[in-house]
Amino acid sequence: SQTIHQWPATLVQPVGSPLSLECTVEGTSNPNLYWYRQAAGRGLQLLFYSVGIGQISSEVPQNLSASRPQDRQFILSSKKLLLSDSGFYLCAWSALTYEQYFGPGTRLTVT
Amino acid sequence: GQQVMQIPQYQHVQEGEDFTTYCNSSTTLSNIQWYKQRPGGHPVFLIQLVKSGEVKKQKRLTFQFGEAKKNSSLHITATQTTDVGTYFCADLGSSNTGKLIFGQGTTLQVKP
Repeated sequence: SQTIHQWPATLVQPVGSPLSLECTVEGTSNPNLYWYRQAAGRGLQLLFYSVGIGQISSEVPQNLSASRPQDRQFILSSKKLLLSDSGFYLCAWSALTYEQYFGPGTRLTVT
Repeated sequence: GQQVMQIPQYQHVQEGEDFTTYCNSSTTLSNIQWYKQRPGGHPVFLIQLVKSGEVKKQKRLTFQFGEAKKNSSLHITATQTTDVGTYFCADLGSSNTGKLIFGQGTTLQVKP
């Protein structure tokens, strides 16, 4: 069966520090991968998606970047965090029938 | 661009009461999916509707896709405290990328 991992679960980082969040998927090949951000009590904002290794599409211009160095690995990064980067970061993969399966998420607080 | 709107934003019900959330779009929806996010958790896929007028049931949950494919609804019969959470609808924006266009969600509170 398929499993999606995200780490860390929680993170507190100072403004201006770098960020690296990792997501890995097991049990499937060539999945479409997605990074979302959710502000407290709000909806899901799609940040990036990838249909294959090295293929990244950005949905919202911002202080973040994404990379897909391996088929089942998706990384979200920032060189310098802003206060507005705080939120709940969710990674997801989609099956051939298009439903998405989300990881447990990372709660990021930028102080 | 396409927007998917959900109403209401919040709903408080007494346990045992019914609950309905609505998902609307100004353009034709291609494929509606519903997700549930428990407090502190991540969204979990519930169901997908593809055909006009489609109705699917999961125990106390009934999902419906409008005849014109411009709206969808989720109805919960006799709510329980375990139904607490935020319910999101999402339209499949692109079958090539699998991108979903999410509604803002309806948060359900159930008073025991």
